[in-house]
Amino acid sequence: GENVEQHPSTLSVQEGDSAVIKCTYSDSASNYFPWYKQELGKRPQLIIDIRSNVGEKKDQRIAVTLNKTAKHFSLHITETQPEDSAVYFCAASKSTNAGKSTFGDGTTLTVKP
Amino acid sequence: SQTIHQWPATLVQPVGSPLSLECTVEGTSNPNLYWYRQAAGRGLQLLFYSVGIGQISSEVPQNLSASRPQDRQFILSSKKLLLSDSGFYLCAWSAQGAGYTFGSGTRLTVV
Repeated sequence: GENVEQHPSTLSVQEGDSAVIKCTYSDSASNYFPWYKQELGKRPQLIIDIRSNVGEKKDQRIAVTLNKTAKHFSLHITETQPEDSAVYFCAASKSTNAGKSTFGDGTTLTVKP
Repeated sequence: SQTIHQWPATLVQPVGSPLSLECTVEGTSNPNLYWYRQAAGRGLQLLFYSVGIGQISSEVPQNLSASRPQDRQFILSSKKLLLSDSGFYLCAWSAQGAGYTFGSGTRLTVV
């Protein structure tokens, strides 16, 4: 089955700096890659996603890039703010597989004011 | 708009007791439904998923079971809880090929 690895497990940045979280996946048939943000004690929430026919997607201060050949994708957060502090999860799924997502183990991002 | 309801929010149960967690979705038909468990400080482990009424697929062998008696209702059950069943349980739904919308979660502590 699919295996998703996520790095780093913890990341600390100064407010205003950029943060990058990287994930690799094993199943070349995976074609949908969402990112979720989970604040302490709350549910994960979808923040951005990318499909395999696109190399990059941007939404204000967040962007995701996908390298299908290397089977890795990354989340980029620019101009970080304290409210960006949370656990971020990447995931991978196949549209032919009932939408099941395999998640990375998460990255705890801390933005220091 | 679509909404997902999950209850209860917290639960403390003794070892060996039964479990029933319920999840309902509004505003959509024939959603894909999922149960995930999140251990403290860990990632999300898929337990069960369902693509339709009465259709349940299990991902991990364990003493939990799931049922989908109605199109928008998903239930997670156990006949006898173990200490290792403690965790944060999340129900989620998705349309085919789309991201998840998670319920608010149930924090289960087995004592």
